[in-house]
Amino acid sequence: DVKVTQSSRYLVKRTGEKVFLECVQDMDHENMFWYRQDPGLGLRLIYFSYDVKMKEKGDIPEGYSVSREKKERFSLILESASTNQTSMYLCASSRVSGLPGNQPQHFGDGTRLSIL
Amino acid sequence: AQSVTQPDIHITVSEGASLELRCNYSYGATPYLFWYVQSPGQGLQLLLKYFSGDTLVQGIKGFEAEFKRSQSSFNLRKPSVHWSDAAEYFCAVGALPTGNQFYFGTGTSLTVIP
Repeated sequence: DVKVTQSSRYLVKRTGEKVFLECVQDMDHENMFWYRQDPGLGLRLIYFSYDVKMKEKGDIPEGYSVSREKKERFSLILESASTNQTSMYLCASSRVSGLPGNQPQHFGDGTRLSIL
Repeated sequence: AQSVTQPDIHITVSEGASLELRCNYSYGATPYLFWYVQSPGQGLQLLLKYFSGDTLVQGIKGFEAEFKRSQSSFNLRKPSVHWSDAAEYFCAVGALPTGNQFYFGTGTSLTVIP
C-alpha cells in the first residue's frame, strides 16, 4: 500500500511565523499535491509538482510556496503565517501512467494547523 | 471549466438502510471519476474509480457507483449502511487537459443513526 506521511497531525503557530509542512511518500510517485480543506469548501489545490524541482500553482497559491528537492518529499511553506491560513492541510501523491488525470491520488492523514 | 457538484451537504440514514450519494460533474470529454471517504481526523481513502468500460463499478467496503453519461452523474450507493460508514464522502474528477489535477466536490457528510 502507498504510504503518504505528513510530519505533524496538529500544529500551532503564531501570526507572522514561517511555517513548514512536510510530506513524504514511499511509492516513488512522480506527482505530489498540497490541498487545504475547509468546511463547506471541500478540497482546494494549493500547489502540485510533477517532478523534482518542478512545481505548478493550483487554485489558491497566494501566501504559500513549495519545495521539492527529492522525489519522495514535498514541502509546503507558509512564508508569513496569517490567521486565515488556519485549516486542515492534506498532502497527496499519484503516479504517472502516460494518461494524466486518471491515476488515483493517495492521501496523508492531514495536518491541522492553527495560526494564533 | 470542469466542476463537481455534490448537492447534498448532509445526509442521515438509519443503520441497515440503503444509501445513495449524488455527484454531478461538468466536463467536456469522458471524465475519470473517483469517490473518496474521509473518516473524522483522517485523510481521504479511495473507495472506487471509473475510467472506462462497465458503467457500474464496485469499490471497497461494499460500495458501488454508476456512471451515467446522459445525466453527467456518478452516484455512490450502498445497499445496507453500517454505523462505521459515518464519514465525509467526496466525489472527484480527474481532468485531462490540465494534467494531473483533480477537481473535488464539496463533500457530503453522512450520519448513521442506530
